[in-house]
Amino acid sequence: SQQGEEDPQALSIQEGENATMNCSYKTSINNLQWYRQNSGRGLVHLILIRSNEREKHSGRLRVTLDTSKKSSSLLITASRAADTASYFCATVQISNFGNEKLTFGTGTRLTIIP
Amino acid sequence: GAGVSQSPSNKVTEKGKDVELRCDPISGHTALYWYRQSLGQGLEFLIYFQGNSAPDKSGLPSDRFSAERTGGSVSTLTIQRTQQEDSAVYLCASSFPEKIYNEQFFGPGTRLTVL
Repeated sequence: SQQGEEDPQALSIQEGENATMNCSYKTSINNLQWYRQNSGRGLVHLILIRSNEREKHSGRLRVTLDTSKKSSSLLITASRAADTASYFCATVQISNFGNEKLTFGTGTRLTIIP
Repeated sequence: GAGVSQSPSNKVTEKGKDVELRCDPISGHTALYWYRQSLGQGLEFLIYFQGNSAPDKSGLPSDRFSAERTGGSVSTLTIQRTQQEDSAVYLCASSFPEKIYNEQFFGPGTRLTVL
């Protein structure tokens, strides 16, 4: 089952603008990760934020986490055409079997218009 | 270094046939995961391996799906008597779970089309 729900489902912006994507989830988490997927193939890990963190930066990426609202946001600043991709949040829990289980949302399709 | 590789990249098969999908994880990664992604959807967890054992098979959709891992490395996902609803991209990921809050490294996926 899908835990994360991304919003919006699709987003188109002009190159140079900032893009914000949101993710909501339902149960408690150990950490939350954001991934990028190009052309419906392999995912690339972007950033991880722990449950006791509220904000994290990596280059042009800024992630926030509000555990009280069970939500996270991903901000991409100064967007570039190469940022065009689908972005997924993944909530991370330790399963009953001891493994770190990622549950992915349905994704936001971001299109950067040159 | 080499990333996660998967083969074949594309597979077209007829309904009712069996298929095998292969995953070569990053060397040294003890954890291996299989996911399925249907068109326009997020990733659906299928199975988790730690070494050669699979403590979490909870995501396998039916008994037509099975997976094995040998030598703590290569994994094969087998789908028997394929159905059209099995059409999807099958993604493999590996990680080094001894590292706290590890990230998963994904392969490029195998696009399976069942006619």
